[in-house]
Amino acid sequence: GQNIDQPTEMTATEGAIVQINCTYQTSGFNGLFWYQQHAGEAPTFLSYNVLDGLEEKGRFSSFLSRSKGYSYLLLKELQMKDSASYLCAVLLNDYKLSFGAGTTVTVRA
Amino acid sequence: GAVVSQHPSWVICKSGTSVKIECRSLDFQATTMFWYRQFPKQSLMLMATSNEGSKATYEQGVEKDKFLINHASLTLSTLTVTSAHPEDSSFYICSATIREPYEQYFGPGTRLTVT
Repeated sequence: GQNIDQPTEMTATEGAIVQINCTYQTSGFNGLFWYQQHAGEAPTFLSYNVLDGLEEKGRFSSFLSRSKGYSYLLLKELQMKDSASYLCAVLLNDYKLSFGAGTTVTVRA
Repeated sequence: GAVVSQHPSWVICKSGTSVKIECRSLDFQATTMFWYRQFPKQSLMLMATSNEGSKATYEQGVEKDKFLINHASLTLSTLTVTSAHPEDSSFYICSATIREPYEQYFGPGTRLTVT
């Protein structure tokens, strides 16, 4: 089976920085995705890492270390609208996505 | 671009009836479509992979006779939940890929409630 672990919940203050970690042990690897999902809505794409290193996109950055089976999503300058669930997903060798359970981020004023 | 729609967005049905959910890629031809199920406060679980013109591939533990998938064209896949039971109540989400299969575009989801 596939093992993708991420914390269940995180809380942070508006304007702060939050880092969501994801560790994985999967039977194959073709890249790692981060998605944002608001309650009752479909996931929306945030980032895709296939090579080691940091990818920066505005207030969101994602890091990957394939040797360590580790990724993180960094959210800077948190806004209230960033309150959502963040899903880590590994693209397997058959191009199916295996999702972690998601991290619910709550941003407080 | 790369918009995926689902219909209906929500549906309530009685136990024992069947429900059909449509997934359409609006501005592209999807080589593959995926169907996921998500229970409250849980992550997405892949149910099946659907390719146009061929039989769907179901994940372990998913009953193919209960969840019928028809991928009639490169822009339409349907999921029919047959003889629905209350435990089938869930959020069903489809996704579609274009030429490069690593990028999946998700539909807005269908909330199914079986009474």
